[in-house]
Amino acid sequence: DGGITQSPKYLFRKEGQNVTLSCEQNLNHDAMYWYRQDPGQGLRLIYYSQIVNDFQKGDIAEGYSVSREKKESFPLTVTSAQKNPTAFYLCASSMGLYYERYFGPGTRLTVT
Amino acid sequence: RKEVEQDPGPFNVPEGATVAFNCTYSNSASQSFFWYRQDCRKEPKLLMSVYSSGNEDGRFTAQLNRASQYISLLIRDSKLSDSATYLCVVNAGGTSYGKLTFGQGTILTVHP
Repeated sequence: DGGITQSPKYLFRKEGQNVTLSCEQNLNHDAMYWYRQDPGQGLRLIYYSQIVNDFQKGDIAEGYSVSREKKESFPLTVTSAQKNPTAFYLCASSMGLYYERYFGPGTRLTVT
Repeated sequence: RKEVEQDPGPFNVPEGATVAFNCTYSNSASQSFFWYRQDCRKEPKLLMSVYSSGNEDGRFTAQLNRASQYISLLIRDSKLSDSATYLCVVNAGGTSYGKLTFGQGTILTVHP
């Protein structure tokens, strides 16, 4: 089955720790994205990547970092510099920037 | 003015009712439009793309009005399973080419 997987589903961390969220896709999509969703708000773009070894900042990139070493994988690191990291993180992919996004099941991160 | 604006609702309708949601967008150069559905604590899933001439998929009809810069979603014969949050998504053109902006979502509850 083609799709996007994210792990883990729930993640708990102490303040001051970096944490890495996994995202893998087998849809053969070139573009991948990370979004953040907070209660009552729309999705906000953190980072995106159109091709391997290239990525661009989205609207709220501060405190986050990404890598794109393989087409299938686009991990997101939430660093201790991110002021309000508790949120629902969604990874997505698409054939290209112009096309609809397909989302993974998300990771709920709680930082205390 | 927000880039994409939706009435957050909630819309509470009985089974079998017809319900319509509108969404306005501010960028007149926007190129493509989508409706997504998001169930509680789940990832958004593509419901349908919105084409210039309007399009229908079963009980769902999407319309685009470029002159007034809004899109709409009509749901006929509502089912209990239609209860969800409906996200309006706009793909900007011009200098923001490829950027998808998500509305906050409209909550729909269908009751027996």
